Amino acid sequence: DIVLTQSPGTLSLSPGEGATLSCRASQSVSSGYLAWYQQKPGQAPRLLIYGASSRATGIPDRFSGSGSGTDFTLTISRLEPEDFAVYYCQQSGSSSWTFGQGTKVEIK
Amino acid sequence: EVQLVESGGGLVQPGGSLRLSCTASGFTFSRSWMHWVRQAPGKGLVWVSRINSDGSSTTYADFVKGRFTIFRDNTKNTLYVEMNSLRAEDTAVYYCASEPSGWYSYFDFWGQGTLVTVSS
Repeated sequence: DIVLTQSPGTLSLSPGEGATLSCRASQSVSSGYLAWYQQKPGQAPRLLIYGASSRATGIPDRFSGSGSGTDFTLTISRLEPEDFAVYYCQQSGSSSWTFGQGTKVEIK
Repeated sequence: EVQLVESGGGLVQPGGSLRLSCTASGFTFSRSWMHWVRQAPGKGLVWVSRINSDGSSTTYADFVKGRFTIFRDNTKNTLYVEMNSLRAEDTAVYYCASEPSGWYSYFDFWGQGTLVTVSS
């Protein structure tokens, strides 16, 4: 199975700052099969990005995804108070679906 | 409005069984692949199982293979998972999630989750 490693584990930032979250795969992942999710405490995950770079419906344009092959990035251009949460990358391939371990974006 | 509503969670003894349900509304359930994803307390998301749109094909994570069975009833817009031989490490919130048909693969909608606690 493909292993996804997210870094950093925790990102301490202030509102208004930008955030760059990394997701590295143990094998090449088709861009069509890489997604990002946001999860807040006590809530279900919410889809942010699919196909590595396409924003899901209703997702603000301060969220963007990029990358290919084994290296993918989620960028939040200017953090709003509601963006402090845990973010997961996820891949689908060869009848297996895996998540990264998550990056927590916390208020500094 | 799309809704996925899980039910059936609770406290069960090790070695016991439980059936979870996920009732869908607001989208064409019969066209979507469906998944179960779990999250142990304080931990990350872990994919558990998937079923294709007509129920003819299923896939399982190795750690539940032979113990869990995923199935669906498209006439009732409901997804299920039958969980047998439960272990303490199966304790988690279980989410159902939909995967739309198409070129891309991702989980577009999620339920609110149902907590399964395996303990004596």
